[in-house]
Amino acid sequence: DSGVTQTPKHLITATGQRVTLRCSPRSGDLSVYWYQQSLDQGLQFLIQYYNGEERAKGNILERFSAQQFPDLHSELNLSSLELGDSALYFCASNPDGRRDTEAFFGQGTRLTVV
Amino acid sequence: GNSVTQMEGPVTLSEEAFLTINCTYTATGYPSLFWYVQYPGEGLQLLLKATKADDKGSNKGFEATYRKETTSFHLEKGSVQVSDSAVYFCALKDTGRRALTFGSGTRLQVQP
Repeated sequence: DSGVTQTPKHLITATGQRVTLRCSPRSGDLSVYWYQQSLDQGLQFLIQYYNGEERAKGNILERFSAQQFPDLHSELNLSSLELGDSALYFCASNPDGRRDTEAFFGQGTRLTVV
Repeated sequence: GNSVTQMEGPVTLSEEAFLTINCTYTATGYPSLFWYVQYPGEGLQLLLKATKADDKGSNKGFEATYRKETTSFHLEKGSVQVSDSAVYFCALKDTGRRALTFGSGTRLQVQP
Protein backbone atom coordinates (compact mmCIF):
# COMPACT_ATOMS: atom_id res chain seq x y z
CA ASP A 1 0.00 0.00 0.00
CA SER A 2 1.60 3.28 -1.17
CA GLY A 3 -0.53 5.47 1.07
CA VAL A 4 -2.00 7.33 -1.90
CA THR A 5 -5.75 6.81 -2.27
CA GLN A 6 -7.68 7.34 -5.46
CA THR A 7 -11.42 7.21 -5.92
CA PRO A 8 -13.32 5.88 -7.68
CA LYS A 9 -11.43 2.82 -8.91
CA HIS A 10 -13.61 2.48 -11.99
CA LEU A 11 -15.79 4.96 -13.83
CA ILE A 12 -17.95 4.44 -16.89
CA THR A 13 -19.54 7.46 -18.49
CA ALA A 14 -20.88 8.69 -21.81
CA THR A 15 -19.28 11.01 -24.32
CA GLY A 16 -19.85 14.68 -23.58
CA GLN A 17 -20.11 14.14 -19.84
CA ARG A 18 -17.97 15.53 -17.02
CA VAL A 19 -16.30 13.53 -14.25
CA THR A 20 -14.17 14.26 -11.20
CA LEU A 21 -11.38 12.02 -10.02
CA ARG A 22 -10.16 12.34 -6.47
CA CYS A 23 -6.74 11.78 -4.93
CA SER A 24 -5.62 11.79 -1.29
CA PRO A 25 -1.83 11.97 -1.08
CA ARG A 26 0.32 10.29 1.53
CA SER A 27 0.18 11.95 4.89
CA GLY A 28 2.49 14.98 4.88
CA ASP A 29 3.19 14.97 1.15
CA LEU A 30 2.81 18.45 -0.32
CA SER A 31 3.24 17.61 -3.99
CA VAL A 32 0.63 15.86 -6.13
CA TYR A 33 1.02 14.74 -9.73
CA TRP A 34 -1.54 13.48 -12.20
CA TYR A 35 -0.65 11.05 -15.02
CA GLN A 36 -2.64 9.44 -17.79
CA GLN A 37 -1.84 5.92 -18.96
CA SER A 38 -3.26 4.84 -22.29
CA LEU A 39 -2.31 2.11 -24.73
CA ASP A 40 -1.31 4.48 -27.51
CA GLN A 41 0.31 7.31 -25.49
CA GLY A 42 1.86 5.39 -22.62
CA LEU A 43 2.30 7.23 -19.32
CA GLN A 44 1.92 10.97 -19.79
CA PHE A 45 2.34 13.65 -17.16
CA LEU A 46 -0.66 15.94 -16.93
CA ILE A 47 -0.17 18.41 -14.11
CA GLN A 48 1.55 18.95 -10.74
CA TYR A 49 0.41 20.84 -7.66
CA TYR A 50 2.53 21.81 -4.71
CA ASN A 51 0.92 22.96 -1.46
CA GLY A 52 -2.18 24.20 -3.24
CA GLU A 53 -0.54 25.90 -6.18
CA GLU A 54 -0.01 24.70 -9.71
CA ARG A 55 3.69 23.90 -10.16
CA ALA A 56 4.01 22.37 -13.62
CA LYS A 57 1.89 21.48 -16.61
CA GLY A 58 2.40 18.63 -19.01
CA ASN A 59 0.22 17.33 -21.81
CA ILE A 60 -3.05 18.34 -20.21
CA LEU A 61 -5.95 19.16 -22.51
CA GLU A 62 -7.90 22.39 -22.07
CA ARG A 63 -10.98 20.28 -21.29
CA PHE A 64 -9.17 18.98 -18.22
CA SER A 65 -8.46 20.91 -15.05
CA ALA A 66 -7.24 20.15 -11.57
CA GLN A 67 -6.91 21.69 -8.16
CA GLN A 68 -5.38 20.96 -4.79
CA PHE A 69 -7.32 21.86 -1.70
CA PRO A 70 -6.09 23.17 1.69
CA ASP A 71 -6.19 19.64 3.12
CA LEU A 72 -3.86 18.69 0.21
CA HIS A 73 -6.22 16.32 -1.53
CA SER A 74 -6.52 16.91 -5.25
CA GLU A 75 -9.21 16.56 -7.87
CA LEU A 76 -8.88 16.13 -11.62
CA ASN A 77 -11.87 17.33 -13.61
CA LEU A 78 -12.43 15.97 -17.09
CA SER A 79 -15.16 17.55 -19.21
CA SER A 80 -16.70 17.14 -22.66
CA LEU A 81 -15.41 13.60 -22.57
CA GLU A 82 -14.43 11.82 -25.76
CA LEU A 83 -13.85 8.14 -26.47
CA GLY A 84 -10.13 8.82 -26.61
CA ASP A 85 -10.12 9.97 -22.99
CA SER A 86 -10.62 6.37 -21.88
CA ALA A 87 -7.50 5.57 -19.87
CA LEU A 88 -6.08 4.82 -16.47
CA TYR A 89 -5.51 8.02 -14.49
CA PHE A 90 -2.89 7.90 -11.77
CA CYS A 91 -2.19 10.26 -8.96
CA ALA A 92 1.21 10.33 -7.30
CA SER A 93 2.59 12.26 -4.36
CA ASN A 94 5.91 13.05 -2.77
CA PRO A 95 6.97 15.19 0.15
CA ASP A 96 8.63 18.09 -1.62
CA GLY A 97 8.57 17.73 -5.38
CA ARG A 98 12.35 17.55 -5.54
CA ARG A 99 14.29 15.96 -8.37
CA ASP A 100 15.74 13.14 -6.30
CA THR A 101 12.72 12.05 -4.31
CA GLU A 102 10.55 9.29 -5.64
CA ALA A 103 6.85 9.61 -6.23
CA PHE A 104 4.36 7.20 -4.66
CA PHE A 105 1.51 6.17 -6.90
CA GLY A 106 -2.10 5.37 -6.18
CA GLN A 107 -3.82 2.39 -7.79
CA GLY A 108 -5.44 4.57 -10.41
CA THR A 109 -8.91 5.31 -11.68
CA ARG A 110 -9.91 3.45 -14.82
CA LEU A 111 -12.11 5.72 -16.92
CA THR A 112 -14.15 4.23 -19.72
CA VAL A 113 -15.99 6.62 -22.02
CA VAL A 114 -18.74 4.96 -24.08
CA GLY B 1 13.10 17.71 -24.50
CA ASN B 2 13.46 14.77 -22.19
CA SER B 3 12.87 11.24 -23.40
CA VAL B 4 13.35 7.66 -22.26
CA THR B 5 13.72 4.72 -24.61
CA GLN B 6 13.17 1.15 -23.45
CA MET B 7 13.53 -2.11 -25.25
CA GLU B 8 10.36 -3.46 -26.80
CA GLY B 9 8.58 -6.28 -25.05
CA PRO B 10 7.34 -8.67 -24.18
CA VAL B 11 10.40 -10.33 -22.75
CA THR B 12 9.75 -13.99 -22.01
CA LEU B 13 12.16 -15.87 -19.77
CA SER B 14 12.28 -19.14 -17.89
CA GLU B 15 12.51 -19.08 -14.12
CA GLU B 16 16.08 -18.51 -12.85
CA ALA B 17 17.19 -16.91 -16.13
CA PHE B 18 19.21 -13.69 -16.22
CA LEU B 19 17.27 -10.52 -17.00
CA THR B 20 18.38 -7.34 -18.74
CA ILE B 21 15.98 -4.59 -19.77
CA ASN B 22 17.72 -1.80 -21.63
CA CYS B 23 16.96 1.84 -20.96
CA THR B 24 18.59 4.93 -22.47
CA TYR B 25 17.65 8.53 -21.91
CA THR B 26 17.96 12.05 -23.25
CA ALA B 27 17.81 14.91 -20.76
CA THR B 28 19.16 18.32 -20.00
CA GLY B 29 21.23 18.70 -16.89
CA TYR B 30 21.68 15.85 -14.45
CA PRO B 31 18.51 13.84 -14.08
CA SER B 32 17.59 11.33 -11.42
CA LEU B 33 16.75 7.91 -12.85
CA PHE B 34 14.14 5.45 -11.67
CA TRP B 35 12.74 2.01 -12.37
CA TYR B 36 9.08 1.47 -11.55
CA VAL B 37 7.19 -1.82 -11.71
CA GLN B 38 3.49 -2.29 -12.40
CA TYR B 39 1.87 -5.60 -11.45
CA PRO B 40 -1.43 -6.51 -13.13
CA GLY B 41 -4.27 -4.34 -11.92
CA GLU B 42 -2.08 -2.23 -9.66
CA GLY B 43 -0.41 1.15 -9.61
CA LEU B 44 3.27 1.79 -10.13
CA GLN B 45 5.74 0.93 -7.40
CA LEU B 46 9.25 2.25 -7.17
CA LEU B 47 11.73 -0.55 -7.72
CA LEU B 48 15.00 1.39 -7.47
CA LYS B 49 16.57 4.74 -8.19
CA ALA B 50 19.90 6.50 -8.75
CA THR B 51 20.42 10.21 -8.43
CA LYS B 52 23.90 10.80 -9.84
CA ALA B 53 26.39 9.31 -12.27
CA ASP B 54 27.89 5.92 -11.32
CA ASP B 55 25.31 5.38 -8.57
CA LYS B 56 23.91 1.86 -8.42
CA GLY B 57 20.34 1.37 -7.33
CA SER B 58 19.31 -2.04 -6.03
CA ASN B 59 16.26 -3.69 -4.55
CA LYS B 60 14.79 -7.22 -4.38
CA GLY B 61 17.69 -8.61 -6.44
CA PHE B 62 17.30 -6.00 -9.19
CA GLU B 63 20.13 -3.60 -10.00
CA ALA B 64 20.74 -0.68 -12.33
CA THR B 65 23.76 1.61 -12.69
CA TYR B 66 23.54 5.24 -13.78
CA ARG B 67 25.92 5.52 -16.75
CA LYS B 68 26.29 9.14 -17.79
CA GLU B 69 28.77 8.40 -20.58
CA THR B 70 26.32 6.09 -22.35
CA THR B 71 23.15 7.81 -21.00
CA SER B 72 21.87 4.43 -19.87
CA PHE B 73 20.22 2.84 -16.84
CA HIS B 74 19.79 -0.83 -17.72
CA LEU B 75 17.84 -3.04 -15.31
CA GLU B 76 19.33 -6.43 -14.40
CA LYS B 77 18.47 -9.39 -12.22
CA GLY B 78 20.52 -12.52 -11.89
CA SER B 79 17.71 -15.02 -11.44
CA VAL B 80 14.10 -14.13 -12.20
CA GLN B 81 11.04 -15.68 -10.58
CA VAL B 82 7.50 -16.15 -11.82
CA SER B 83 6.46 -13.44 -9.34
CA ASP B 84 8.61 -10.92 -11.23
CA SER B 85 6.18 -11.01 -14.15
CA ALA B 86 5.04 -7.40 -14.56
CA VAL B 87 5.56 -4.29 -16.66
CA TYR B 88 8.76 -2.36 -15.94
CA PHE B 89 9.07 1.36 -16.60
CA CYS B 90 12.27 3.35 -16.78
CA ALA B 91 11.81 7.02 -15.90
CA LEU B 92 13.75 10.21 -15.30
CA LYS B 93 13.24 13.43 -13.46
CA ASP B 94 15.46 16.38 -14.30
CA THR B 95 16.40 19.52 -12.45
CA GLY B 96 14.09 21.75 -14.45
CA ARG B 97 10.97 19.67 -14.70
CA ARG B 98 10.12 17.73 -11.62
CA ALA B 99 7.56 15.37 -13.06
CA LEU B 100 8.61 11.95 -14.24
CA THR B 101 9.20 11.24 -17.91
CA PHE B 102 8.50 7.56 -18.55
CA GLY B 103 9.61 5.08 -21.14
CA SER B 104 7.00 3.00 -22.92
CA GLY B 105 7.32 0.07 -20.51
CA THR B 106 8.59 -3.47 -21.02
CA ARG B 107 6.40 -6.43 -20.20
CA LEU B 108 8.26 -9.32 -18.57
CA GLN B 109 6.76 -12.79 -18.56
CA VAL B 110 8.54 -15.45 -16.51
CA GLN B 111 7.55 -19.05 -17.14
CA PRO B 112 7.96 -21.82 -14.57
